[in-house]
Amino acid sequence: GAGVSQSPSNKVTEKGKDVELRCDPISGHTALYWYRQSLGQGLEFLIYFQGNSAPDKSGLPSDRFSAERTGGSVSTLTIQRTQQEDSAVYLCASSQPPWRDSYEQYFGPGTRLTVT
Amino acid sequence: DAKTTQPNSMESNEEEPVHLPCNHSTISGTDYIHWYRQLPSQGPEYVIHGLTSNVNNRMASLAIAEDRKSSTLILHRATLRDAAVYYCILLGAGNQFYFGTGTSLTVIP
Repeated sequence: GAGVSQSPSNKVTEKGKDVELRCDPISGHTALYWYRQSLGQGLEFLIYFQGNSAPDKSGLPSDRFSAERTGGSVSTLTIQRTQQEDSAVYLCASSQPPWRDSYEQYFGPGTRLTVT
Repeated sequence: DAKTTQPNSMESNEEEPVHLPCNHSTISGTDYIHWYRQLPSQGPEYVIHGLTSNVNNRMASLAIAEDRKSSTLILHRATLRDAAVYYCILLGAGNQFYFGTGTSLTVIP
């Protein structure tokens, strides 16, 4: 079946502009995660959605970052007034309901964001 | 968030076993130990996970110390396709994954 998809695959934007990144999770997956990976670094957790529960936003680095998930499926990560330090690969992952003893995340290919 | 410590890099000869260590001395009794790997230019992929007992699957084995303060991912015969960054992660009650910087594995032909 189809995996997690993300769009666009690459985005170049000017400093100060707003950007929207999209994630389409695997159908039926109730959990959705956003991560950021700067060049040569590990993954940085940003936000977590689980079903209809309030999202865990504890990883968002500033109030310029926000995310929403419509209808429990597609998610959009929005970065307002982009800065050069926002340049990174943004990865989305989805999973079945998070029963911790049988947990596996499926990752999308990522969106490479470059802020000039 | 519970912390893990891994070596920055390791090398292995092709077709030899590889033991990737991870220290997690602050692990709590309910934290699961997960391993993911990230091949170049790809998103991470699940490898294996466990709680207390050693685990085996088609990709690897996971050996967990009796006190659970460390674990080892074992690749039984390294291939060139196993060259990746391997992340050891503790999954706690909040269901967030904290990936850290992982171990970069180089497989030598």
